[in-house]
Amino acid sequence: GAGVSQSPRYKVAKRGQDVALRCDPISGHVSLFWYQQALGQGPEFLTYFQNEAQLDKSGLPSDRFFAERPEGSVSTLKIQRTQQEDSAVYLCASSDRGVGYGYTFGSGTRLTVV
Amino acid sequence: GQQLNQSPQSMFIQEGEDVSMNCTSSSIFNTWLWYKQEPGEGPVLLIALYKAGELTSNGRLTAQFGITRKDSFLNISASIPSDVGIYFCAGQRRETSGSRLTFGEGTQLTVNP
Repeated sequence: GAGVSQSPRYKVAKRGQDVALRCDPISGHVSLFWYQQALGQGPEFLTYFQNEAQLDKSGLPSDRFFAERPEGSVSTLKIQRTQQEDSAVYLCASSDRGVGYGYTFGSGTRLTVV
Repeated sequence: GQQLNQSPQSMFIQEGEDVSMNCTSSSIFNTWLWYKQEPGEGPVLLIALYKAGELTSNGRLTAQFGITRKDSFLNISASIPSDVGIYFCAGQRRETSGSRLTFGEGTQLTVNP
């Protein structure tokens, strides 16, 4: 597609529920990133894929967070047993370039845990 | 946690005024980037800087990569109402895997017509 597409745009989850957030990167982009943006803050790195390989997951805050990109295109970020502190905007970004270049962000999924 | 100190946190200016914001870090970055984010949208890349001392312009925007590689500034000249938004600096270190970005906390810009 023309841009990075994320769905859903908004998600309300009850505490303890599992959620799955989807990212469709720009077609052909090798690199895919997930970021978490708390209210009033800058985005914080969660994880990075190069094709289907998850090369860096050091930013995932706990083992309740899991990301996958099985065919090297669409990616899913899953959060198990959601807690209130998980409330944030989850941004996906993709890039067709190597290290040292900025990349294209999607509009994000706003997750609210109640 | 975040390592970039961005200032000011917010700015309220009149249309036509120039704006300056900056970002400092305790550690070196090899690439500096400036993004703008509007409500309900993801950050959009404005300017990318790849060499220490580099000065780059994009229309009314000018950004510089500090000589020490620990700072950067962004200037906006002759501001217009559509400049409203949150501006983020971000640094990248080539030697880390995945070229993750480290973001500042943002500068909220309000332009009064």
